[in-house]
Amino acid sequence: GAVVSQHPSWVICKSGTSVKIECRSLDFQATTMFWYRQFPKQSLMLMATSNEGSKATYEQGVEKDKFLINHASLTLSTLTVTSAHPEDSSFYICSARTPGPRYQPQHFGDGTRLSIL
Amino acid sequence: AQSVTQLGSHVSVSEGALVLLRCNYSSSVPPYLFWYVQYPNQGLQLLLKYTSAATLVKGINGFEAEFKKSETSFHLTKPSAHMSDAAEYFCAVGGYNKLIFGAGTRLAVHP
Repeated sequence: GAVVSQHPSWVICKSGTSVKIECRSLDFQATTMFWYRQFPKQSLMLMATSNEGSKATYEQGVEKDKFLINHASLTLSTLTVTSAHPEDSSFYICSARTPGPRYQPQHFGDGTRLSIL
Repeated sequence: AQSVTQLGSHVSVSEGALVLLRCNYSSSVPPYLFWYVQYPNQGLQLLLKYTSAATLVKGINGFEAEFKKSETSFHLTKPSAHMSDAAEYFCAVGGYNKLIFGAGTRLAVHP
């Protein structure tokens, strides 16, 4: 149980392109999803918290207009990297929290490796 | 505020040897603690979680962790390392809204 699917797993595109990444909770409803960025050999950096039916909460220093987050249903959140540039190249990972008490863990997708040429 | 410190960015053990990955936390409220494992080019997989029910927590793949409030620690152990345990391990503290991750420990297992 508690499976999170992330798509695509790998994207290579030209500078200036917008890229959409999907995160789906397959067997549970997730009112809250999270988007992380991970640089090589580093830990995860929380970018934003995505709440179903409301605006995402972005961490300090994360550009809202660059990283658009939409959580349109209880099983789907999307991250769109707008006008991507080489510095946006990274490993992006989403997670979804299973419903219940606050100690319920987050379950992670397999990540999306984004390479901007 | 909450934070996590993982001592040792790299740990190397022989196959069959004890695995010990260290995690110390700081939290102004009773903490919820988690260990995750990450294999190359993959997301994170939950190994185990501490939710105050029991101080010794057993997880998947033979791992366990012990919560020690007096030492503010939540170290991860496995009695006998397997080659397939080679991966990056992250300790995290938090709960409802955010997880705060440690820097990670890369575990190498050699024959």
